[in-house]
Amino acid sequence: GEDVEQSLFLSVREGDSSVINCTYTDSSSTYLYWYKQEPGAGLQLLTYIFSNMDMKQDQRLTVLLNKKDKHLSLRIADTQTGDSAIYFCAESTKGSSASKIIFGSGTRLSIRP
Amino acid sequence: DVKVTQSSRYLVKRTGEKVFLECVQDMDHENMFWYRQDPGLGLRLIYFSYDVKMKEKGDIPEGYSVSREKKERFSLILESASTNQTSMYLCATGQGRRETQYFGPGTRLLVL
Repeated sequence: GEDVEQSLFLSVREGDSSVINCTYTDSSSTYLYWYKQEPGAGLQLLTYIFSNMDMKQDQRLTVLLNKKDKHLSLRIADTQTGDSAIYFCAESTKGSSASKIIFGSGTRLSIRP
Repeated sequence: DVKVTQSSRYLVKRTGEKVFLECVQDMDHENMFWYRQDPGLGLRLIYFSYDVKMKEKGDIPEGYSVSREKKERFSLILESASTNQTSMYLCATGQGRRETQYFGPGTRLLVL
């Protein structure tokens, strides 16, 4: 079945770049997403990429998609303490009657001073 | 802005109790979802609904049921709560080609 995998933890120094990686299995995914969850809150969409793109940039965020390897990454430039959160990679997939989104387990990003 | 609200932020219930978790959205979205979030397991889909009175099982529907009598409201029901249903429950809504989902703040349920 469909699966999305990402590492559970990442620690970076403040001001450095963070790179969060994700692999997925459904080659027919139309969209791939990055969601952010701050402590005590629900998930918030950070950015998404259409499957026929290989890169998308939005201010400090860069998303890279390698469709051949089914690999998605999120780069956060100049990481700040406010970037501390859990980041979820997700892919859209067709269910029996409607599209579903499959989420990874989330990567907890912590920032060192 | 899309607003998705959940009836409680924190809930404590006893084993065997019937539990209702409510979710309300104000954006007229067709699709609504219930997930549970557990450490190391990410989000797992319990049930979803793509229209009023329509529901479809997600990946872990056992022990849960849902109700969608009105478009803006999607309820998750635990018929007889058990300790392994202690979790964070997240409601989401979505519509459109991008299938972007918008999440509520979550309900942290503790079953004793």
